[in-house]
Amino acid sequence: EIVLTQSPVTLSLSPGERATLSCRASQRIDTALVWYQQRPGQAPRLLVYDASDRAAGIPARFSGSGSGTDFTLTISSLEPEDFAVYYCQQRNTWPRTFGQGTKVDFK
Amino acid sequence: QVRLQQSGPGLVKPSETLSLTCSVSSRSMSGYYWTWVRQAPGEGLEWIGRIYDRGTTNYKPSLESRVTISMDTSKKQFSLNLATVTAADTAVYYCAREAIYSAIGMDVWGQGIAVTVSS
Repeated sequence: EIVLTQSPVTLSLSPGERATLSCRASQRIDTALVWYQQRPGQAPRLLVYDASDRAAGIPARFSGSGSGTDFTLTISSLEPEDFAVYYCQQRNTWPRTFGQGTKVDFK
Repeated sequence: QVRLQQSGPGLVKPSETLSLTCSVSSRSMSGYYWTWVRQAPGEGLEWIGRIYDRGTTNYKPSLESRVTISMDTSKKQFSLNLATVTAADTAVYYCAREAIYSAIGMDVWGQGIAVTVSS
């Protein structure tokens, strides 16, 4: 089973600031990585797939990068609705696995 | 726009079987993995398993002995059965779809059902 480790666990920032979230895989997964956003009480929402492709309707301030074992999700300028929990997930092998999440909260 | 509508009980007794159903609004169920994911209170997301094609399944190994996922394409539904539940199975359960032939990930999710295991 592939283990995904996200860092930091919590990121305390202010609106307008840049957020950089990391996800590291325990073995190489090429670009088979997906990012989700989850707001309180809601289902996860697909943000980025194939490590760097934005899903339909996702604002351009969200961008993903990386390949192999190290991946990054960047939010260029935080909007109030971006304060949420972010999960990475690998789709290279089964079972699918998720990282433990990074919470972006208000400083 | 495709929607997934979940149904099932919110309370299950210990040692009994948790049963949930996900109804799919699309014309066909072909071309997708139909997936179950859960989230324990205050915890992260856990992939449970998936079904696709004509009923091919894959399960998380640690749950495999207790999980059964099935599908009824004529009703456009797929279901989760989790046997012999304990308090550790208390979670919000989500259904989702993932494209087989694209890298897009789980792009449509159900609304989630909070299931509590308690007597």
